[in-house]
Amino acid sequence: ILNVEQSPQSLHVQEGDSTNFTCSFPSSNFYALHWYRWETAKSPEALFVMTLNGDEKKKGRISATLNTKEGYSYLYIKGSQPEDSATYLCASPTQGGSEKLVFGKGTKLTVNP
Amino acid sequence: DAGVIQSPRHEVTEMGQEVTLRCKPISGHDYLFWYRQTMMRGLELLIYFNNNVPIDDSGMPEDRFSAKMPNASFSTLKIQPSEPRDSAVYFCASRRAGSSYNEQFFGPGTRLTVL
Repeated sequence: ILNVEQSPQSLHVQEGDSTNFTCSFPSSNFYALHWYRWETAKSPEALFVMTLNGDEKKKGRISATLNTKEGYSYLYIKGSQPEDSATYLCASPTQGGSEKLVFGKGTKLTVNP
Repeated sequence: DAGVIQSPRHEVTEMGQEVTLRCKPISGHDYLFWYRQTMMRGLELLIYFNNNVPIDDSGMPEDRFSAKMPNASFSTLKIQPSEPRDSAVYFCASRRAGSSYNEQFFGPGTRLTVL
């Protein structure tokens, strides 16, 4: 059974701090790694789909890297703002191009003004 | 584009009652997924459909849970009878066949509380 792990479970930072958190996944038979951002009472929103070892993607102050050989992805937020407060989820297909995504339990980020 | 629509957004019910959650996927999407989000277990896939046909329901916790997709624009998840341990946020998601690496689009969820 595919296991997707995220750490830390929760994180509190001050406005302006930069932060990062981790998603780890089995490196064998890798297909893709998805990052989602979920604010309570809203729809989880897709941030990145990462597929190639060494990939680095960026959207504004948020960026992500991927290491498929060792099975991890980092999400970075530069200069955190209160509106970045959300739960960040990563997910990977159960095998190859499977329709079924297995999600980590998420990292809940709180940015204090 | 309206996105995935779910109703109701909040549901409070008493143990033993029947609960029906509804989902309208994005128009043109071929796949529909039902998930449950809890603190303990995170986001778990319950069932998914392709072209209105249930493909994998191995995540459905027990016989009290059932899901249907009578047409391409509507799906229901029913719990009968409901129990307090069913309290969770239930998400519906959809995607189009051939989309980028199985990217899914989520609805806002239904927060279910069973007293």
